Amino acid sequence: EVQLLESGGGLVQPGGSLRLSCAVSGFTFSSYAMSWVRQAPGKGLEWVSIITDSGSKTYYADSVKGRFTISRDNSKNTLYLQVNSLRAEDTAVYFCAKRGVGSDSYHFDDWGQGTLVTVSS
Amino acid sequence: QTVVTQEPSFSVSPGETITLTCGLSSGSVSTSHYPSWYQQTPGQAPRTLIYSTNTRSSGVPDRFSGSILGNKAALTITGVQADDESDYYCMLYMGSGIRVFGGGTKLTVL
Repeated sequence: EVQLLESGGGLVQPGGSLRLSCAVSGFTFSSYAMSWVRQAPGKGLEWVSIITDSGSKTYYADSVKGRFTISRDNSKNTLYLQVNSLRAEDTAVYFCAKRGVGSDSYHFDDWGQGTLVTVSS
Repeated sequence: QTVVTQEPSFSVSPGETITLTCGLSSGSVSTSHYPSWYQQTPGQAPRTLIYSTNTRSSGVPDRFSGSILGNKAALTITGVQADDESDYYCMLYMGSGIRVFGGGTKLTVL
């Protein structure tokens, strides 16, 4: 059974930083690109970032580029998101998601339950 | 900036068939955007319904189908049931690793 478990969220002041983690099991982590998606309270889903299976390439939404860094440790089956220079509008539940199977898959087929980041003074 | 558009809300009676759409603020949606659809109920993680325009994810009932209608991606639910009441999101692949979600459609089953 595929499992994705996020952690690391919490209350942080504007301008602060956090490192979010997503521990996975039930599949060969090193074979799949992984992504972060967030959802502000009462709002829709927003794609944040994706990292290739090897970690060699990363991509970001314009809203977080330069402030967030996605990374992974395939030896630990863990995905990370370093979030810096946080703003109130970064307040959201952050989900990790696994890219679908196949070289022409551009969707996400498994999701974690999310971790809440609250940016407030 | 690319905006992916969806109907904000939709109301339907049980048993009816509905089609939700996913468009672009500029241009047409095509299979090259690999449209995918997700269902989400409050407080829960999204559930993948459809990917690559019209492929159902494992375990998704065949009441759910995807297509391209005109210049938009579409999600059709045939014979809507009460537990289909959820938020529905489309996501498009924009190239160069970038994905964009639509704003979501809140489906109410009357």
